[in-house]
Amino acid sequence: DGGITQSPKYLFRKEGQNVTLSCEQNLNHDAMYWYRQDPGQGLRLIYYSQIVNDFQKGDIAEGYSVSREKKESFPLTVTSAQKNPTAFYLCASRDLAHNEQFFGPGTRLTVL
Amino acid sequence: AQSVTQLDSQVPVFEEAPVELRCNYSSSVSVYLFWYVQYPNQGLQLLLKYLSGSTLVKGINGFEAEFNKSQTSFHLRKPSVHISDTAEYFCAVSFYSSASKIIFGSGTRLSIRP
Repeated sequence: DGGITQSPKYLFRKEGQNVTLSCEQNLNHDAMYWYRQDPGQGLRLIYYSQIVNDFQKGDIAEGYSVSREKKESFPLTVTSAQKNPTAFYLCASRDLAHNEQFFGPGTRLTVL
Repeated sequence: AQSVTQLDSQVPVFEEAPVELRCNYSSSVSVYLFWYVQYPNQGLQLLLKYLSGSTLVKGINGFEAEFNKSQTSFHLRKPSVHISDTAEYFCAVSFYSSASKIIFGSGTRLSIRP
């Protein structure tokens, strides 16, 4: 079964702690993306990567970091510098041939 | 500036009634257009897309959308909704000049009343 997996589905962390969200895809897509979703604001792009070992900042990259060491994996670290990290985080990958993004099920991060 | 506007944040309709969710975009270059659906606490699922060709696009679950270049719109329609259509719907645009990025609208919450 091809798709995108994100883990965990729910994550709780104390303020001041870094936390890493996992995203794995077996669709053989080159491009991968991280979005943040807050109520009433749609999706905002955090980081994206078009190829292994390369990534670009999106619109709200401050307080976040990523790596892309393998084509299948694009983990997102929410650092203690992110002032308001509680949100729903969505990972996506892109099919260049058909120009559409496929989404994972999301991770809901709550910082206590 | 390039942007996407979904004019209605919430749309309540009765079951079996028709519905239209509005989407307008702003761009100086050619675009690709998408509608996604999101059920509670889930990721987004593609409903339909317009890349080129016929301006009337049919998607899954009985939805369709029409690309209107002169009005820069891509409204989503369904002739008869079902309770299971209750969800949030996102319009999205990517641009020929930068197809690697997609801009999403703020979403429209569709609520179906029995």
